[in-house]
Formats: sequence, C-alpha cells, structure tokens
Amino acid sequence: QQQVKQSPQSLIVQKGGISIINCAYENTAFDYFPWYQQFPGKGPALLIAIRPDVSEKKEGRFTISFNKSAKQFSLHIMDSQPGDSATYFCAAGPGGATNKLIFGTGTLLAVQP
Amino acid sequence: KAGVTQTPRYLIKTRGQQVTLSCSPISGHRSVSWYQQTPGQGLQFLFEYFSETQRNKGNFPGRFSGRQFSNSRSEMNVSTLELGDSALYLCASSLVVGGGELFFGEGSRLTVL
Repeated sequence: QQQVKQSPQSLIVQKGGISIINCAYENTAFDYFPWYQQFPGKGPALLIAIRPDVSEKKEGRFTISFNKSAKQFSLHIMDSQPGDSATYFCAAGPGGATNKLIFGTGTLLAVQP
Repeated sequence: KAGVTQTPRYLIKTRGQQVTLSCSPISGHRSVSWYQQTPGQGLQFLFEYFSETQRNKGNFPGRFSGRQFSNSRSEMNVSTLELGDSALYLCASSLVVGGGELFFGEGSRLTVL
C-alpha cells in the first residue's frame, strides 16, 4: 500500500517531442504528489507538484495530470530538449505533519538532438 | 543562499565498521530528512527530524540512527556496516513540515568493502 509504481523505466524521445512518465499509487491517504528531476552526481530537485484537489497543473513545459479515481498521475514534458535528459522520480506524500515521501523507481529520460 | 551541504561526499569503509555522515540544511530550514538511494531499491526514506526530534522513521534496521542539533544540522550513523549499505545517502531540508518542498544535497556516496 505504500508503493508508488512508475513507468517506463527508460524513455528515449526526439528533441521537440513529448515525454510522458506515469505513476500509480494505492494509498488513498497520499495527498501530495511531487516530481523530482535528478542529474548525474546531483541530488534530486523538485520540478513540479500537485495536490489531489486539482486534475492538472502546468509550469512552463512541464504538466502534471492527476486522476484521483484511478489513483494515477503523470508527467508530461512538452517540446523535450536535450537538457531535459535526466532521471525523473515521482513521489507521494502521506499527508499530515511529515515531509516523508514514497518515491517511484525512476525513469531515465534521454532526449536525442 | 547556500544549499544543503553534505560531508563527506565520498567514503570507503569495510564491513563491520561504522560511519557518520553530516548534513547542514539551508539556513532557516528546521526540517531535515535522510534518504538512501541504491540502483536496486531506489530512493528510500530513512528518517525525518524537526527541532531536534525524530518525527518519522523508515523501515531500516536499528543500525541506522540519526540526530539533529539545535542549529538544525543533522548527522546519521550506520554501525556494523554491511556490503548492502553501499549507497548514496541523501539529506534534504525543508522550510515547513507537511508537503513542503524538499531541497536535496548532493549526497554522501558510501562504499562498503
């Protein structure tokens, strides 16, 4: 119940294309869903986050789509660029007075020029 | 504004030894969390501290411990090291507790021989 399942494990996209990464969760107590981006040798950095009271959130080229009934959420990267090549992690927070996050297994994105 | 600083960045230990890792959060952040990152298990929550109190602990054996000091700096300790403890240990700080953005350091890479 504490797992967050992420797919695909790896993704190759052409420059200018759309990258889509999907995550699913079981625990309905989760109420915070961030996406983190990690470059080699660096710690993860927050990209965008959503709470279950909205179905979509957009920040620049990055969009989170959230389906509460299906317990799924996804990251869409529009106009993907080579600089977007990184590992992406979805996560879920259990709510309440904690910053504990349950992370997905990660997606290695390669954007080809 | 300085980010999260972790020391040491790299270290090699042998089985049975113990190790202490240090984390200095962003100035003003009082919440500190620790995560273990491995290729096989991904990012796993270790523990979380706020105002010198452990708020949450992940599913790790008692060999893993931590503490937070009055200046919000944190340390984690792993005793009786095992080969499987080889990992990147990431510290994250946050301004708030509960769904706040986590700011990660670059991690301490531990290799156990």
